[in-house]
Amino acid sequence: AQKITQTQPGMFVQEKEAVTLDCTYDTSDQSYGLFWYKQPSSGEMIFLIYQGSYDEQNATEGRYSLNFQKARKSANLVISASQLGDSAMYFCAMREHTSGTYKYIFGTGTRLKVLA
Amino acid sequence: NAGVTQTPKFRILKIGQSMTLQCTQDMNHNYMYWYRQDPGMGLKLIYYSVGAGITDKGEVPNGYNVSRSTTEDFPLRLELAAPSQTSVYFCASSYFLSTGITFDNQPQHFGDGTRLSIL
Repeated sequence: AQKITQTQPGMFVQEKEAVTLDCTYDTSDQSYGLFWYKQPSSGEMIFLIYQGSYDEQNATEGRYSLNFQKARKSANLVISASQLGDSAMYFCAMREHTSGTYKYIFGTGTRLKVLA
Repeated sequence: NAGVTQTPKFRILKIGQSMTLQCTQDMNHNYMYWYRQDPGMGLKLIYYSVGAGITDKGEVPNGYNVSRSTTEDFPLRLELAAPSQTSVYFCASSYFLSTGITFDNQPQHFGDGTRLSIL
């Protein structure tokens, strides 16, 4: 069964430092997509970054980068130069294509706290 | 530039009551999804729809019903509300071509959520 695993329930990072949030996945599909979302305390889901299974280069979006290791089935999110506003819940998600339809599965999330 | 709109934002129900959570999108997306998020947890798929008139169950469909009479609207119905349905509900939409080719980097678009308490 396809699955997303986030093993870090909570993380702390000092302001201006970098932090890596872990995500591993399990799928038998050859084509899939991996996403990271941020959920601040206000509750909305904010899309951060995407990595396609055929992309050879790691995705980057501003201070966010995705460390994609296909053989290890990992898609870790790296946030550089952390800011207080980065404190939030972070979810890793995978788009799967099953029986001709597209669905997304989500990890349980990592709560990040940035310390001043 | 509305995107995905959910109403209401908050609701308190009594056990056994029924209600409908509304979701509408203005992006002409064919796929729509309903998720629930329990405290401190990730999102679990309740129901989804691949187009008007077509719906299917997700991971946790019990106690819910959906319909999709138009491309824009995907309401979620709770019948006989139970305390276990206390959660935050998110509606989302995506666009996929029927050929199976995806706009690879297109994420789901989420509504702001409905916080539902059942007492």
